[in-house]
Amino acid sequence: DTGVSQDPRHKITKRGQNVTFRCDPISEHNRLYWYRQTLGQGPEFLTYFQNEAQLEKSRLLSDRFSAERPKGSFSTLEIQRTEQGDSAMYLCASSWVAGGTTGELFFGEGSRLTVL
Amino acid sequence: DQQVKQNSPSLSVQEGRISILNCDYTNSMFDYFLWYKKYPAEGPTFLISISSIKDKNEDGRFTVFLNKSAKHLSLHIVPSQPGDSAVYFCAASSLLYNFNKFYFGSGTKLNVKP
Repeated sequence: DTGVSQDPRHKITKRGQNVTFRCDPISEHNRLYWYRQTLGQGPEFLTYFQNEAQLEKSRLLSDRFSAERPKGSFSTLEIQRTEQGDSAMYLCASSWVAGGTTGELFFGEGSRLTVL
Repeated sequence: DQQVKQNSPSLSVQEGRISILNCDYTNSMFDYFLWYKKYPAEGPTFLISISSIKDKNEDGRFTVFLNKSAKHLSLHIVPSQPGDSAVYFCAASSLLYNFNKFYFGSGTKLNVKP
């Protein structure tokens, strides 16, 4: 397995447009997380999936944001009607959680969004 | 709610010397701590972790120390190398919450001078 992959790496869009990011986690991992990182800050939690179930969403995730993980494999993060404040690096990570233990988060390279 | 804090935005050390990066947390429920390294335009890369049942974990040049009473952890890099120059993030999570999220500090930019 080559690790967590994200696509696209860069996206420039105009305000009001919709964008979608894709994440392919490490195949044997059952957890998938989405984080957002802005300049000078650490990654901020957005949402996570246990297999195909979305179990928690941050209040940072407004109604314009939606995430899916069909069949517990890849995940998509869609932002509708983008705003300039959505400009950030969107990071996907996966991990294995079972029996009260967890491994570390493995991050992808990130998808950088610029909203003009 | 900034539950994990890295109060030093930057640190500069000479090659071969020790780098010490610090991290404080406020939530006493945290029991799993990690350090990540990040180069520009890349995702964070895992370095080392520690469970709250330990107070020290070592992996090569990297050692993490955990002081639960002070809610403080530190990462020691010995000896520091120019390739260690990057932004370092500490992160924390909790078995109580089934590791539902990891909280990250704002990062410390380490510059190792040749």
